[in-house]
Amino acid sequence: QQQVKQSPQSLTVWEGETAILNCSYEDSTFDYFPWYHQFPGESPALLIAIRPVSNKKEDGRFTIFFNKREKKFSLHIADSQPGDSATYFCAATTGYQNFYFGKGTSLTVIP
Amino acid sequence: DAGVTQTPRHEVAEKGQTIILKCEPVSGHNDLFWYRQTKIQGLELLSYFRSKSLMEDGGAFKDRFKAEMLNSSFSTLKIQPTEPKDSAVYLCASSRTGGNQDTQYFGPGTRLLVL
Repeated sequence: QQQVKQSPQSLTVWEGETAILNCSYEDSTFDYFPWYHQFPGESPALLIAIRPVSNKKEDGRFTIFFNKREKKFSLHIADSQPGDSATYFCAATTGYQNFYFGKGTSLTVIP
Repeated sequence: DAGVTQTPRHEVAEKGQTIILKCEPVSGHNDLFWYRQTKIQGLELLSYFRSKSLMEDGGAFKDRFKAEMLNSSFSTLKIQPTEPKDSAVYLCASSRTGGNQDTQYFGPGTRLLVL
């Protein structure tokens, strides 16, 4: 059973638009939800993360929206830039067990 | 502090060979993960250690893949025998354990090509 599902598989937006990436999870005990980005030829790196005590986390142009009841969380990238083009992975964990990663969303931002 | 280090960065092997990949986690991190990454499958967990104890062994990867953590600062992943379908990037990651844990920090990866 796939613990974390991510959509869409690929996304193309114009520069300046808001890109929205979605994830859902199965295990209601998960309490830590990071997003990673990965640029071509590089390893995944942490972008932003949230804990369920809040339903929103902002860091500059990046915002996570969290819905505990529906077991969903999303990453919004405002004012998308060509330099944001990368693959984005969501993940979930309790911190006392393995991390579960989504399969990734390939984002392309067109100038 | 040094990040996660992996060696070698690139490896070319003939089908049937044995290869060993190496990883040094971030100092002080208790958890260590080995992943395989391909375009089609994404990130697949191979092994997960907590304080040197094997917590998960990646199920389908058991037969030819064996990870070991000899001490808290060094881990190896052995693939024996290699097959062309093993061609992928192998990533090692580490994190602190539990509570207000930090997230995973990934190494640069080993790109493996099996001919």
